[in-house]
Amino acid sequence: AQKVTQAQTEISVVEKEDVTLDCVYETRDTTYYLFWYKQPPSGELVFLIRRNSFDEQNEISGRYSWNFQKSTSSFNFTITASQVVDSAVYFCALSVTGNQFYFGTGTSLTVIP
Amino acid sequence: GAGVSQTPSNKVTEKGKYVELRCDPISGHTALYWYRQSLGQGPEFLIYFQGTGAADDSGLPNDRFFAVRPEGSVSTLKIQRTERGDSAVYLCASSETREDTQYFGPGTRLTVL
Repeated sequence: AQKVTQAQTEISVVEKEDVTLDCVYETRDTTYYLFWYKQPPSGELVFLIRRNSFDEQNEISGRYSWNFQKSTSSFNFTITASQVVDSAVYFCALSVTGNQFYFGTGTSLTVIP
Repeated sequence: GAGVSQTPSNKVTEKGKYVELRCDPISGHTALYWYRQSLGQGPEFLIYFQGTGAADDSGLPNDRFFAVRPEGSVSTLKIQRTERGDSAVYLCASSETREDTQYFGPGTRLTVL
């Protein structure tokens, strides 16, 4: 069975602080994909990143970075120098067959100005 | 180009009524997915289409839910004899192929009174 756990329900940080959102996944498949999506108050899920199980290289995109560690089944997301516009709910998701995504319950991030 | 669109954005209905929710995927995307998102939860998979056929409908909660995609593009999610528990945001996503990133529409907020 597939499962994604986002243990942090809500996080608040002051603007310009760094923040890390945790994601732990479970699967017995050796081929899988991991994703992060952002859901701002408007409600639309915005794609941030896709990573396949064979690529453990960390990735940086501007203020965003992702740390994929198969040894701990984690795919954590860090926002550096947070901004108010980063306030949203962030979802981690797992796909093993491409048929469906398994989403975590999301982490609500509030950046306080 | 245009993203995934969904209509209506909001739908209020009475218990026992029939509703149809429409999804227009990104042009050229062969895979189409429906999810349901309840308040404070991550999206939950309902059904996946590859072309015109439902490749995986394991997430449909019961036989009151049905979806079609007759020409391999637009899809309609149909809910019969609606119940208050059906109230949620219904999300549609599409991807170029089964293995690719899913791009989500803005959702339809369904409220059953």
